[in-house]
Amino acid sequence: GEDVEQSLFLSVREGDSSVINCTYTDSSSTYLYWYKQEPGAGLQLLTYIFSNMDMKQDQRLTVLLNKKDKHLSLRIADTQTGDSAIYFCAESGATNKLIFGTGTLLAVQP
Amino acid sequence: EPEVTQTPSHQVTQMGQEVILRCVPISNHLYFYWYRQILGQKVEFLVSFYNNEISEKSEIFDDQFSVERPDGSNFTLKIRSTKLEDSAMYFCASTLDRGGNTIYFGEGSWLTVV
Repeated sequence: GEDVEQSLFLSVREGDSSVINCTYTDSSSTYLYWYKQEPGAGLQLLTYIFSNMDMKQDQRLTVLLNKKDKHLSLRIADTQTGDSAIYFCAESGATNKLIFGTGTLLAVQP
Repeated sequence: EPEVTQTPSHQVTQMGQEVILRCVPISNHLYFYWYRQILGQKVEFLVSFYNNEISEKSEIFDDQFSVERPDGSNFTLKIRSTKLEDSAMYFCASTLDRGGNTIYFGEGSWLTVV
C-alpha cells in the first residue's frame, strides 16, 4: 500500500539550514505537501509541489522533488527557534486523500 | 487568511457516550475531510465528503462513525459509542476541488475517552 517515511529527528543550530527528507511509494501522487505542527496545535500548510515540478521556492523554504527516486525534501534557510516543530510530509493522489509521513521533529538550538 | 474552524478544542467523554465534533470548512470549499492523530502516531485519513455524501472512507471509519453536513456551513463527525482507543486529535480539512490543490486543516479537536 501507499507509504510515506521520514526520519524522526533533526537538530540544527539557529542560523543554519535544515533539510528534512521524505520518501514515498505511490508513483501516482499528484501533489506533495509539507505541513508544520507546533506543540498542541493543528496542521499548518507550509508549501506544496505538483508532481511534475522538481523544485519550488517560497521565501526561506525550498522544496526539491526527485520523482524517479520518490524523494522529497524541505530545506529551511536561516533556521530560527520559531521553526522548532514537527514537520509532516504528505502525498495525495487523484482523490485528495492525504497519506502522511511519521513526522520529523526539528529542534533548533540557539 | 480563510481558515477551517473546529469545536470543541478539547472534550473529555466517558466510554460508551456519543460525541459530535464540529467543523466549519472554508466557505467556498467543496470537499471535506476528517483525519485523526493518536498521540505519537501518524495522521490518518478517516473519511472524505463531497456533494452531501461520503466519497471515500478508511477501514478505521466503521459503523460507529458518521458524518453529516446539516446546513450550508457545518460539517460534523459523530462517534456513536466511544471507546478508549478513540482518544485522539481529530482534524477537519477542506479543499476547493478534487484535483489536488491546497488542503487546509483546522486546529483540531482533542478527544479524551475515559
